[in-house]
Amino acid sequence: DVKVTQSSRYLVKRTGEKVFLECVQDMDHENMFWYRQDPGLGLRLIYFSYDVKMKEKGDIPEGYSVSREKKERFSLILESASTNQTSMYLCASRSGGNTIYFGEGSWLTVV
Amino acid sequence: QKEVEQNSGPLSVPEGAIASLNCTYSDRGSQSFFWYRQYSGKSPELIMFIYSNGDKEDGRFTAQLNKASQYVSLLIRDSQPSDSATYLCAVNGAGANSKLTFGKGITLSVRP
Repeated sequence: DVKVTQSSRYLVKRTGEKVFLECVQDMDHENMFWYRQDPGLGLRLIYFSYDVKMKEKGDIPEGYSVSREKKERFSLILESASTNQTSMYLCASRSGGNTIYFGEGSWLTVV
Repeated sequence: QKEVEQNSGPLSVPEGAIASLNCTYSDRGSQSFFWYRQYSGKSPELIMFIYSNGDKEDGRFTAQLNKASQYVSLLIRDSQPSDSATYLCAVNGAGANSKLTFGKGITLSVRP
């Protein structure tokens, strides 16, 4: 079974803090993704990485950056957290153009 | 902007009925299509994928794809209360590094 692990499940951060969300997959997948999910807005792609050190902006990259130094790890960084970044963040991975698999999600509250 | 639209919900069906979930997409070059189920507070889990026109059956679930009309649907036969969840349609473009675009989802409620 594919395993995508998001180490931080529930976080509460203050406005202006730098936030790191970590994601690790164990299937040697080339592609990794970060989405956020909000009620009424569905899943929106923040960033996408198709290989180590390669990244591509998704639909809503503003206020976020990413890092992929190793194939199995994809980090999402909020440089200066704001209240409108309160959301559930989902990491996913995929091999080629096939099925993507999600982690369990990270619930972030910015106060 | 590639779009994936799901019919407005929520959808409520009695136990044992057939639930029909529909999805349309705008990109004619789309190659693969997925249905995910998401329970409240949980992450999406894959139910089915389909690549070719026609029907694909897996247990109580049938995915239907019509590329000419640009729609994909999911039928759930003999619906159970445990099927109550949000169902997400997702569409993949061509190529190994294509992005997956999700619809906003439809919430299904199965009444005992």
